[in-house]
Amino acid sequence: QKEVEQNSGPLSVPEGAIASLNCTYSDRGSQSFFWYRQYSGKSPELIMSIYSNGDKEDGRFTAQLNKASQYVSLLIRDSQPSDSATYLCAVNSGGSQGNLIFGKGTKLSVKP
Amino acid sequence: NAGVTQTPKFRILKIGQSMTLQCTQDMNHNYMYWYRQDPGMGLKLIYYSVGAGITDKGEVPNGYNVSRSTTEDFPLRLELAAPSQTSVYFCASSYGSGRAGETQYFGPGTRLLVL
Repeated sequence: QKEVEQNSGPLSVPEGAIASLNCTYSDRGSQSFFWYRQYSGKSPELIMSIYSNGDKEDGRFTAQLNKASQYVSLLIRDSQPSDSATYLCAVNSGGSQGNLIFGKGTKLSVKP
Repeated sequence: NAGVTQTPKFRILKIGQSMTLQCTQDMNHNYMYWYRQDPGMGLKLIYYSVGAGITDKGEVPNGYNVSRSTTEDFPLRLELAAPSQTSVYFCASSYGSGRAGETQYFGPGTRLLVL
């Protein structure tokens, strides 16, 4: 059973701080990794994708991938109250169907 | 582009009733997916399709059926609704090939309550 694990939180950080969200996955053959943000009552929207070991930066967001440790993380710098949401980690299951396996999500709360 | 659209937004069903959740995408995506999301449980794949006329089961297909007669539409059918099917249902689509093609785009969701 391929699994994606996340700490459910809630993770609470003060405004302006760095929020660090973590994810581990069980399938060593996974090649593609995604972070989705989901506001309460809304649908998931893609924030970042990462495919190679190391860091990938996009504005205030940095995704980090370590395939040897089967670990992917998302850092949010200068956190804003508008970042308060649930963050879903998703991993491509490795098949040709493009199926993603989602973690249960980490709820982030940014306090003003 | 409207992206991925879903209807209805919300529905209450009685036990044993049937209904179809509609999903349409206008991005000419090959791949389409149906997920359900229960509180605190993440997204579970129900069915997926890699093109018109081709569908396959996901992780939790029991109690559901799908069809894909066109590239744009991917309806989900619930037969004999049960309280365990109370959930939020999301349809998603992706281009399907290449790394950029793996990104899935989600519709706004359908909230279903079975009483």
